[in-house]
Amino acid sequence: LAKTTQPISMDSYEGQEVNITCSHNNIATNDYITWYQQFPSQGPRFIIQGYKTKVTNEVASLFIPADRKSSTLSLPRGSLSDTAVYYCLVGGWVNTGGFKTIFGAGTRLFVKA
Amino acid sequence: NAGVTQTPKFRILKIGQSMTLQCAQDMNHNYMYWYRQDPGMGLKLIYYSVGAGITDKGEVPNGYNVSRSTTEDFPLRLELAAPSQTSVYFCASSYGGDPTGELFFGEGSRLTVL
Repeated sequence: LAKTTQPISMDSYEGQEVNITCSHNNIATNDYITWYQQFPSQGPRFIIQGYKTKVTNEVASLFIPADRKSSTLSLPRGSLSDTAVYYCLVGGWVNTGGFKTIFGAGTRLFVKA
Repeated sequence: NAGVTQTPKFRILKIGQSMTLQCAQDMNHNYMYWYRQDPGMGLKLIYYSVGAGITDKGEVPNGYNVSRSTTEDFPLRLELAAPSQTSVYFCASSYGGDPTGELFFGEGSRLTVL
């Protein structure tokens, strides 16, 4: 069963690029990789999703190497408002029916002035 | 659009009591989900539904029940509450046939069982 592993916490500074890596060694062929952001007392909010190589949207980039056993969320210029918990999610349809969604335990990012 | 709305936001139960967590979405999403989030842990899928009348178990369904009589509503029922069910519960929804696409979450319901 796929398991996702993330650093518990990390610090950064305003204006610096922030990179958070997630390990998912047992990722299945059908699985996608999704990242969510969560602020205190709120539900997670979708940031970005990818399957392989690189995906970029208006807020972040997602880098996935060819073996797909890890992924890196990149925030190009960290701001104080990026201080939050970031979750890596691996999920997809299961051949026996239904689907799975495996969330990591989250990385608490603290962006300092 | 209100998005995904959960009630209540907070609740304290005694062991053995039952209750229902309500979830409603106004985005006409086919898929709806219930997750629980324990401190320091990722979210775990309890139940999900692919449309009205269709539900299925997720990773941790024991002690819970769901129903989906309409597209909008997906209540989660706790029977015989136990301290192990103390958690924050999140309802989510997604559009279309890809449950691993963008999930829209509610603000959560914090449940304490004493």
